[in-house]
Amino acid sequence: SQQGEEDPQALSIQEGENATMNCSYKTSINNLQWYRQNSGRGLVHLILIRSNEREKHSGRLRVTLDTSKKSSSLLITASRAADTASYFCATDAPTDTGRRALTFGSGTRLQVQP
Amino acid sequence: DAGITQSPRHKVTETGTPVTLRCHQTENHRYMYWYRQDPGHGLRLIHYSYGVKDTDKGEVSDGYSVSRSKTEDFLLTLESATSSQTSVYFCAIGRDTRGETQYFGPGTRLLVL
Repeated sequence: SQQGEEDPQALSIQEGENATMNCSYKTSINNLQWYRQNSGRGLVHLILIRSNEREKHSGRLRVTLDTSKKSSSLLITASRAADTASYFCATDAPTDTGRRALTFGSGTRLQVQP
Repeated sequence: DAGITQSPRHKVTETGTPVTLRCHQTENHRYMYWYRQDPGHGLRLIHYSYGVKDTDKGEVSDGYSVSRSKTEDFLLTLESATSSQTSVYFCAIGRDTRGETQYFGPGTRLLVL
């Protein structure tokens, strides 16, 4: 079963606008990460936020985490056509064997129109 | 792609044949992972490895086996490929097990006819 679920599944905006993607998860986590995937490529790590953090910034990216609501959001400000990609959240939580692994959501497809 | 290669990059095979995918890293990272990516499911963990000869099952391990005899190589084998195993397979590596950043390979597109 998927731990993280992104919302919306697809988002289309104009260049210069802000893009917000949300992620909800089910169990307690140690951290939450956001990854980006360009078409036909592997995933690239964007940002990690730990369970004791509420907000984190990296360039034009802003991530928030609300552990009480089990949700996170990724904000991309002043979007560019090059930001067009799929964005995935991933949660770090114990597996059935007690070991830890990342569990990925199904992603948000972002289209930034020039 | 952070010193990670996957081979082959594309493969077409027939139902019932065995298939082995290879992941090779030059980063000397201890942890390695195999995922599959299908529309509507995101990435799902198949198997992972915490070191040489130390592997564990992920969420969708049925029909797959893995081996890790060297730090740099992690092999994924489909013992008898089925059409449901048509997918894009990604290998990832990580420095530690504490849910830190993973680095992904370019992926292998597998089509099982």
